[in-house]
Amino acid sequence: NAGVMQNPRHLVRRRGQEARLRCSPMKGHSHVYWYRQLPEEGLKFMVYLQKENIIDESGMPKERFSAEFPKEGPSILRIQQVVRGDSAAYFCASSPRGVRDRGTGYGQPQHFGDGTRLSIL
Amino acid sequence: EDKVVQSPLSLVVHEGDTVTLNCSYEVTNFRSLLWYKQEKKAPTFLFMLTSSGIEKKSGRLSSILDKKELFSILNITATQTGDSAVYLCAVERAYSGGSNYKLTFGKGTLLTVNP
Repeated sequence: NAGVMQNPRHLVRRRGQEARLRCSPMKGHSHVYWYRQLPEEGLKFMVYLQKENIIDESGMPKERFSAEFPKEGPSILRIQQVVRGDSAAYFCASSPRGVRDRGTGYGQPQHFGDGTRLSIL
Repeated sequence: EDKVVQSPLSLVVHEGDTVTLNCSYEVTNFRSLLWYKQEKKAPTFLFMLTSSGIEKKSGRLSSILDKKELFSILNITATQTGDSAVYLCAVERAYSGGSNYKLTFGKGTLLTVNP
C-alpha cells in the first residue's frame, strides 16, 4: 500500500496517560500535516511539518500537544496527560516537496491516511 | 480567520437523481479549493480548483469555481448508493514558499443515496 499509513487505527487511553500517533507519508512525500476531527465538526488543521522542521503549529493547543517528523521514521503526534476532550479522529496528510502541477502550476493536493480514532476513558 | 461554509449539511436522494453540493468561502490570499469524499475513513481527493469558470470532470462528478462570488459547486449525476458519503470542501491559502500549505475545511455535506 503506497498510501499514507497511520497507526494505530484505534487507541484507547485513560485520563492522564500519553497518546502517541504515528504517520508514515506516501512515498516521495516530505510534507506532513496533522488534522483533528471532532464529532459533528469539520477537519481542523493542527500542524504542518517537513523533515526535522515544524513549519506551522498554529492549530496545536499550546500545552500537552507536540509533533515531530524526524529525519528517519514516521511523524509522531504526541498528546501528554490526555483528557476526555482529546477524544477525536486524528488524520495525517502528506504532499510532495515543491512539486507543481503541470497544468495549473500549483502545488499537489494533500492525500490523507485512514486516521487514528482516540478514545479517552 | 478563513471560513468555509457548506450546504446543505445533509441530503437524502434516490438512485439516479442529480445532486448539487455548495461551498462558499472567505480566505485571505486564496490559492485553491479542494473537494474530498469521506466515507468511513480517509478523505479521498476529488478535485482541486484554481481558476474561475473552468469545469473539472471525473465520470459522473464535476465541479466548478467562481472566484468573484467566492463559491464552488460539486455536481453528481445519476447518483448511485456508492456515492453515499460526506463530501468535504476545503480552501488553501497562498504561501510564499510555493509549497502546499494548510487546508481550512467546511463541516461537510452528508449525502445519502437510497436504492
